[in-house]
Amino acid sequence: DPKIIQKPKYLVAVTGSEKILICEQYLGHNAMYWYRQSAKKPLEFMFSYSYQKLMDNQTASSRFQPQSSKKNHLDLQITALKPDDSATYFCASSQDNWGYEQYFGPGTRLTVL
Amino acid sequence: AQKVIQVWSTASRQEGEELTLDCSYETSQVLYHLFWYKHLLSGEMVFLIRQMSSSTAKERSGRYSVVFQKSLKSISLVISALQPDDSGKYFCALWELGIGGIPRTQVVGQLTFGSGTRLQVYA
Repeated sequence: DPKIIQKPKYLVAVTGSEKILICEQYLGHNAMYWYRQSAKKPLEFMFSYSYQKLMDNQTASSRFQPQSSKKNHLDLQITALKPDDSATYFCASSQDNWGYEQYFGPGTRLTVL
Repeated sequence: AQKVIQVWSTASRQEGEELTLDCSYETSQVLYHLFWYKHLLSGEMVFLIRQMSSSTAKERSGRYSVVFQKSLKSISLVISALQPDDSGKYFCALWELGIGGIPRTQVVGQLTFGSGTRLQVYA
């Protein structure tokens, strides 16, 4: 069974719309993260949560809002979508945020038209 | 400037050979960890091995091992007895304690990734 679930796998949206990317982990981890991989760029860190508290936000835009309703959930709400937001978004988790290896979900590939 | 550099964007080998993938990094922190991940065609990102800056042990996990040259700020992933299933994209990543040794409560767990090396193993 998959340990980190991301939904949906593929997502197509129109410019200006709003979408929510879902992430659930069943590893019993206390820290969760979002990363983004745009075309021809390395994975970029976006957010870090530990025990459902935001630890760091490296995303310049407030259009990206993480939401943690449960300890093992960290969803990503994106508003006013732009074509530049097109990327694969990866959710990850680790035992805590103290240097443990992070385990990644399969990603959600978002295309904004 | 890039913090984690993987010079080779592609590599190819025959089945059974050994491969070394290089990664260099920049950090001013005393404590940091380095990770290797494999990105599968399915999209899954798989953790392979971790090297702690404080460790002098030669880390190994199955057919994966690392060569850590701390003074050169270099870490290489060695894959022995290559198999076609080893094909994929390999990423090096850096975790740093923080900035200027700030307290643990402000550690955020961010990984900084290199741009990856795509490996093709031929049968």
